[in-house]
Amino acid sequence: NAGVTQTPKFRVLKTGQSMTLLCAQDMNHEYMYWYRQDPGMGLRLIHYSVGEGTTAKGEVPDGYNVSRLKKQNFLLGLESAAPSQTSVYFCASKPPSPGTGGEVNEQFFGPGTRLTVL
Amino acid sequence: GQNIDQPTEMTATEGAIVQINCTYQTSGFNGLFWYQQHAGEAPTFLSYNVLDGLEEKGRFSSFLSRSKGYSYLLLKELQMKDSASYLCAVLDSNYQLIWGAGTKLIIKP
Repeated sequence: NAGVTQTPKFRVLKTGQSMTLLCAQDMNHEYMYWYRQDPGMGLRLIHYSVGEGTTAKGEVPDGYNVSRLKKQNFLLGLESAAPSQTSVYFCASKPPSPGTGGEVNEQFFGPGTRLTVL
Repeated sequence: GQNIDQPTEMTATEGAIVQINCTYQTSGFNGLFWYQQHAGEAPTFLSYNVLDGLEEKGRFSSFLSRSKGYSYLLLKELQMKDSASYLCAVLDSNYQLIWGAGTKLIIKP
């Protein structure tokens, strides 16, 4: 199994350009997440999905859109990139929690995409 | 607001023991995670605590006190490969993870 994969690994954009980041998982996980990670800050949730065809906003959704047309894929779009969106973007997935004993399943992360917006 | 605090950086010696602390103030609590992240790589799961007490897993242990809003990660018999950032994250009342900024651990020979 490849686990969680992200495409591309690196990208440089000019202000105002658009792009789509692709996340794919082969673990049949229901939940998928997009985070950004900036120096000196914790991971911040951009958008997430609890199943195919559903998406929801996270902590920092402005300037981003997402789609989950297939269970295994979660796309993150930047319609008009800004320098403030320079960051490392991580995708993660997890199965639903088993619902017994207070246990919660952990998230599995992709390798990340380094995006620079000039 | 929600807040998770952990030291920015710590230094320890190979073979020694180090304790990384995490304090949190969140809206609700459904468990606390520790992740390890090597430079330029993805975070990987280390531990999960939802009840008070110590969970031991090989050289790594994690402790939780819900009444104090406090956790620590204990790393024993440190190895050079343990040089990484250690991320503390709390699952809040909406089952969303709130992340600390991470503690960069430097291991010296």
